[in-house]
Amino acid sequence: SQTIHQWPATLVQPVGSPLSLECTVEGTSNPNLYWYRQAAGRGLQLLFYSVGIGQISSEVPQNLSASRPQDRQFILSSKKLLLSDSGFYLCAWSRDTGGYTFGSGTRLTVV
Amino acid sequence: RKEVEQDPGPFNVPEGATVAFNCTYSNSASQSFFWYRQDCRKEPKLLMSVYSSGNEDGRFTAQLNRASQYISLLIRDSKLSDSATYLCVSYSGYSTLTFGKGTMLLVSP
Repeated sequence: SQTIHQWPATLVQPVGSPLSLECTVEGTSNPNLYWYRQAAGRGLQLLFYSVGIGQISSEVPQNLSASRPQDRQFILSSKKLLLSDSGFYLCAWSRDTGGYTFGSGTRLTVV
Repeated sequence: RKEVEQDPGPFNVPEGATVAFNCTYSNSASQSFFWYRQDCRKEPKLLMSVYSSGNEDGRFTAQLNRASQYISLLIRDSKLSDSATYLCVSYSGYSTLTFGKGTMLLVSP
């Protein structure tokens, strides 16, 4: 069966510090991968998605970036965090048009 | 531009009650629809897909009205464990889903 791993679960980082969140999927190949952010009291916002190694589509211009160095690995990064980057970051994978499976999320607080 | 809109609630209902949520979507090209459930501080989990003919899964019934561009979720015989936020979701292609902000349901004893 397929599983998705996301870490860390919580993170407190100072403004201006770098960020690296990692997500890996097991039990499937060539999945579609996604990074979403959910800010307090707001809906899920798609940040990036990838349909293959090295293929990254950005939905929202910001100081975040994503990379997919391996088929089942998706990384979200920032060189310098802003206070507004605080939120609940969710990685997800899908095989087709629905049935997204989310990782357990990373709760990021920028202080 | 908001593509999927939901009443944020909260909907406060007693155990055993029937409750219905609606959501509207603005993109007429939306192809598929889903309901996700999100518990407090947890990740969303797929509850059910929504088909044009309507579909039922136990106490849950989902309906799609393409003419009016709305989707509904009906929960019968509410349980305390149904307390959560319910996210309405549309798929319009390009491998991405659009999420509503969710409707909060609180079921009380």
